Amino acid sequence: AQKITQTQPGMFVQEKEAVTLDCTYDTSDPSYGLFWYKQPSSGEMIFLIYQGSYDQQNATEGRYSLNFQKARKSANLVISASQLGDSAMYFCAMREDINQFYFGTGTSLTVIP
Amino acid sequence: DADVTQTPRNRITKTGKRIMLECSQTKGHDRMYWYRQDPGLGLRLIYYSFDVKDINKGEISDGYSVSRQAQAKFSLSLESAIPNQTALYFCATSDTNNQETQYFGPGTRLLVL
Repeated sequence: AQKITQTQPGMFVQEKEAVTLDCTYDTSDPSYGLFWYKQPSSGEMIFLIYQGSYDQQNATEGRYSLNFQKARKSANLVISASQLGDSAMYFCAMREDINQFYFGTGTSLTVIP
Repeated sequence: DADVTQTPRNRITKTGKRIMLECSQTKGHDRMYWYRQDPGLGLRLIYYSFDVKDINKGEISDGYSVSRQAQAKFSLSLESAIPNQTALYFCATSDTNNQETQYFGPGTRLLVL
């Protein structure tokens, strides 16, 4: 079974609008971490946000927030007030207890002016 | 200066050649990883190392070998390159005491003809 599933290969959003990128995960470990990375066309991987499995509150970092629904095993990324520079690939990832990282296949986000 | 560096940044080689990709980090992290990224498949873990004397196979280790020469250096070798090893290769680091993220190098684009 896939450890990380991102079902949206491509998304479009109007500039200044909010967008949600979906991510579901599969693990039986009680301790795990969930991550989102941004990969612009230049290729580097940029860390955006982290959510620990025991964290009670949803993580937020500036315009990024992680909608963590533990029972549903989902960790959706919400980007508020989209900017043209947000156009990129976005990857959801999970760290299991043994510190192996698993990545999803990514979502390509295009921000429309 | 970048905390995680990779050399070379781009490489073209021929089938059957041995090549080495180098990764160095100045973050003082104990854990290092090698991933490959293929279009539509996200990142997949090749090898990881939790310490200088610790080497572990990841999801797709066949055809690759690694060497952890020092805490700061982790190299990936393709003993006999083949065309389906054409990919974008990332090195990453993390800290045992702070598992909230991995830090990625800029990537190496490898083309095997």
